[in-house]
Amino acid sequence: DGGITQSPKYLFRKEGQNVTLSCEQNLNHDAMYWYRQDPGQGLRLIYYSQIVNDFQKGDIAEGYSVSREKKESFPLTVTSAQKNPTAFYLCASSIVQGVNQPQHFGDGTRLSIL
Amino acid sequence: SQQGEEDPQALSIQEGENATMNCSYKTSINNLQWYRQNSGRGLVHLILIRSNEREKHSGRLRVTLDTSKKSSSLLITASRAADTASYFCATDALRTSYDKVIFGPGTSLSVIP
Repeated sequence: DGGITQSPKYLFRKEGQNVTLSCEQNLNHDAMYWYRQDPGQGLRLIYYSQIVNDFQKGDIAEGYSVSREKKESFPLTVTSAQKNPTAFYLCASSIVQGVNQPQHFGDGTRLSIL
Repeated sequence: SQQGEEDPQALSIQEGENATMNCSYKTSINNLQWYRQNSGRGLVHLILIRSNEREKHSGRLRVTLDTSKKSSSLLITASRAADTASYFCATDALRTSYDKVIFGPGTSLSVIP
């Protein structure tokens, strides 16, 4: 079955630690996205990538970094500079990047502070 | 501020009743999408409606779009307990530096068996 796999499902971060969230898709989609979801709020875009070896900042990129070395993979690193990282992180993909493209989502990673 | 905002924030109905959720937005759009999110899971795409369309159906779902009022509604007919979820509208923003989809804060729907 084609889809998006996020891992781990739960992640705990210590003070000063960088953590990396994994996102893998086998849908052959060019575009991939990372969102942050806080309670009572909509999804906020962290980073997106239209194609391999290219990515752009979204609305809340500070304290986060990404890479896109393979079409299938778009890992997100939450750095120690992100002072409020506790949230639900969602990865998504679409055939191409654009506002008329449905996005397919993974089941998320819940990040908490130890 | 949000481009799209759902109303009501929360809705509780009995199984078999219809559920209606609304989305209002501020600036002109190309498309509007509706997504569902079950608790602790990712979002699932339901319907995309283009700005030149007024109504779309998919199974028990009916979406309308009124561009003059800058609003959309999602109707779920004959609701089931399995419809319990949060529902989000997502709009595009035409006058930003890059194409992006903006998600509203969602409507939490509870269907009571």
